[in-house]
Amino acid sequence: GAVVSQHPSRVICKSGTSVKIECRSLDFQATTMFWYRQFPKQSLMLMATSNEGSKATYEQGVEKDKFLINHASLTLSTLTVTSAHPEDSSFYICSAIDGTGVVAGYTFGSGTRLTVV
Amino acid sequence: TQLLEQSPQFLSIQEGENLTVYCNSSSVFSSLQWYRQEPGEGPVLLVTVVTGGEVKKLKRLTFQFGDARKDSSLHITAAQPGDTGLYLCAGLARYQFYFGTGTSLTVIP
Repeated sequence: GAVVSQHPSRVICKSGTSVKIECRSLDFQATTMFWYRQFPKQSLMLMATSNEGSKATYEQGVEKDKFLINHASLTLSTLTVTSAHPEDSSFYICSAIDGTGVVAGYTFGSGTRLTVV
Repeated sequence: TQLLEQSPQFLSIQEGENLTVYCNSSSVFSSLQWYRQEPGEGPVLLVTVVTGGEVKKLKRLTFQFGDARKDSSLHITAAQPGDTGLYLCAGLARYQFYFGTGTSLTVIP
């Protein structure tokens, strides 16, 4: 089945630095990728939707200058948390669908635990 | 905006008991999915229901989509410790999936 690889799985960074998270579709072309944020035992909150070759669409309340998303190819999307602060500490998850995957559902990455100290 | 409300939010039961998780909304969805997520991992798709009134069974799990396609339920029979996890429903509307508030299930051996 479809596989989405997310890297790194865990990252600790100092406050004020930037962190890049990668999301790759390994065996299919992801026309659309989604980035979510999740707090412990809570649901996924959609941050942004990215389509290959175009600007990401951010959900209300998500700072696009802080959470930079690049979807440069059909197999790779990156999320960069710029000038990270402790309140940005969270579990970030990406998901991807191909052109026919809407009804079949999303394939999720394994997530990235970000801790800002 | 959160369109899907799950209940209960937290559930702790003994092994062997039955349970039902509800996913309710005032919106109509084209399809609805259920996911299970373990700590530190991404959600894993369990089932997709598309037709109003549809019932799907996956071993001890029974999923039902409401007739009006606004709600769904997940019933687990004879729960096992391996069923422990966060259960999420997600409805498809306007070409986007909206996730429910989540139900954290703990099955005690």
